[in-house]
Amino acid sequence: DVKVTQSSRYLVKRTGEKVFLECVQDMDHENMFWYRQDPGLGLRLIYFSYDVKMKEKGDIPEGYSVSREKKERFSLILESASTNQTSMYLCASSFRTTGYQETQYFGPGTRLLVL
Amino acid sequence: DAKTTQPPSMDCAEGRAANLPCNHSTISGNEYVYWYRQIHSQGPQYIIHGLKNNETNEMASLIITEDRKSSTLILPHATLRDTAVYYCIVRVGLGYSTLTFGKGTMLLVSP
Repeated sequence: DVKVTQSSRYLVKRTGEKVFLECVQDMDHENMFWYRQDPGLGLRLIYFSYDVKMKEKGDIPEGYSVSREKKERFSLILESASTNQTSMYLCASSFRTTGYQETQYFGPGTRLLVL
Repeated sequence: DAKTTQPPSMDCAEGRAANLPCNHSTISGNEYVYWYRQIHSQGPQYIIHGLKNNETNEMASLIITEDRKSSTLILPHATLRDTAVYYCIVRVGLGYSTLTFGKGTMLLVSP
């Protein structure tokens, strides 16, 4: 079974704090993704990585950075948390395919509240 | 990615089959049909995907019409734990690409 784990299910932080969200997958997937999910806005891609030390901006990278030092681990960093970053954060991973199939598997999510 | 249309909600009695429809009339030849579900406050869970043949796994069956313009996800014996929002997505997964969820179908399984 594919296993994607996230460091916390729930997190409460203060405005201005630096926040680290960690994601680990055990399937040797090349690709890893960070999304946020908000009511009415659906799933939005923040960053993704297709290899160790590689990263690409998604649709909403402002205010976030990422780190991928090992293949199995992808970290999302909120440099200075703000209230508009209160959200559900979802990590996903997938194999890099040469065809047209690419199945992403998600972690349980981290619900972040910034006060 | 092609647009999909799903009913906003459906009900199903526990133990009965749940048949969730999805229309994707603008699907192109190399786009796959994917189904995910999301139980309240949890991460999305991959269910199944297919191109043109019917597919079955331990969770569900996927029936795709011959013209590929619609599909049905079948949960053969729904349980209370299958209550969730089900998303039908049509996409080309090129190497790595973002996933977009529409509004989905809220399936409520009742005793």
